[in-house]
Amino acid sequence: DIQMAQSPSSLSASKGDRVTITCRASQSIGSYLNWYQQKPGKAPKLLIYAASSLQSGVPSRFSGSGSGTDFTLTISSLQPEDFATYYCQPSYSAPWTFGQGTKVELK
Amino acid sequence: VQVVESGGTLVKPGGSLRLSCAASGFIFSDYYMHWIRQAPGKGLEWVSYINGVGSVQYYGDSVKGRFTISRDNAKNSVYLQMSSLRAGDSAVYFCARDRGSPGCPDCFSGTFDIWGQGTVVTVSS
Repeated sequence: DIQMAQSPSSLSASKGDRVTITCRASQSIGSYLNWYQQKPGKAPKLLIYAASSLQSGVPSRFSGSGSGTDFTLTISSLQPEDFATYYCQPSYSAPWTFGQGTKVELK
Repeated sequence: VQVVESGGTLVKPGGSLRLSCAASGFIFSDYYMHWIRQAPGKGLEWVSYINGVGSVQYYGDSVKGRFTISRDNAKNSVYLQMSSLRAGDSAVYFCARDRGSPGCPDCFSGTFDIWGQGTVVTVSS
């Protein structure tokens, strides 16, 4: 199974801040990497697929980059509705795993 | 486009339970479907998938031999039959659609683009 090391596990930020979350894969996965947002009590929501493709309806302040083993999710200007937990997920092969999550909190 | 789970409840260790997921707004038989779970306060764990016609199933190691995924395309529904339940199976269970691969009708992508709200399974005596 492909393991993902996601960092940081949590961060505090203010509205308008630029936020970066990283994931490192245990082996090369090309661009097979997705990012999800989950708010408390809600289902995860797909933000980015194939490392850098923005899912329909997702604001353009979200972006993804990387390939191989190192990936980044960037929120260019944090908005109040962005406070949530973010998960990376390699889609390279089954069984699929998820990163341990990054909780973005209000500073 | 949505999926809605049901069937979660409190069940005793060793017991069985069947979860259901009803889909609408898309051609259900064109898509692989998944079950993904989240234990209280924990991260996400992929559980199982089934292909569009129901002929191929795959399971995570933690549920293999105990859980069975199936689907009824006439009812636009996917199911998860769970048996020999343990406390460690307690979780919110999400049904999710696989985004698929353009130009490949019977392929999965491992990308989960539509999620239900989840149904809660609690295994406790």
